[in-house]
Amino acid sequence: DTAVSQTPKYLVTQMGNDKSIKCEQNLGHDTMYWYKQDSKKFLKIMFSYNNKELIINETVPNRFSPKSPDKAHLNLHINSLELGDSAVYFCATGTSGLDEQFFGPGTRLTVL
Amino acid sequence: GDSVTQMEGPVTLSEEAFLTINCTYTATGYPSLFWYVQYPGEGLQLLLKATKADDKGSNKGFEATYRKETTSFHLEKGSVQVSDSAVYFCALTDSGNTPLVFGKGTRLSVIA
Repeated sequence: DTAVSQTPKYLVTQMGNDKSIKCEQNLGHDTMYWYKQDSKKFLKIMFSYNNKELIINETVPNRFSPKSPDKAHLNLHINSLELGDSAVYFCATGTSGLDEQFFGPGTRLTVL
Repeated sequence: GDSVTQMEGPVTLSEEAFLTINCTYTATGYPSLFWYVQYPGEGLQLLLKATKADDKGSNKGFEATYRKETTSFHLEKGSVQVSDSAVYFCALTDSGNTPLVFGKGTRLSVIA
């Protein structure tokens, strides 16, 4: 069983479209994250959810909206996609008492 | 805020060479420190970690020691293999359930 899974793995779309990326975890962790990895491999936190509540919202355009329907899922919806949104988006999970985080395989988004 | 600085890559080594990737950090508290590895086309995997001063994390022949006096967490391996070719990220977190702060990553290429 995959601990943290993401769909889709690849997403190619046109500028201006709206798209969603989904993340699911079966670890029972109470915190989930979205990170963005740019073309230079730099990783930066976008959002953090703890028990379905948003607890961190870094400086991210409001075209990005995370949604957590339950503790096992965290989705990322992006409106009006722009060229600069092209990146790899990673979902990760963590929990109290455990320092490390567990990452999904990533979703490579390409905006044309 | 917290930050992580790691040596710029790429690093190219011959098989069986000694590897050091430098990492230093700035943090207000007593962070936990990590090395994550990203193999080509894959997500991030935890390589090793250390949670307090003088702790040594080790895994797969890699080691790193938490040095509070020099705020460093350098990654070392005595004899690299071609299969170690990947991007290595140094990271920290102030406490569980908070986002990781990453360095910019160091690409390692090992040639036979």
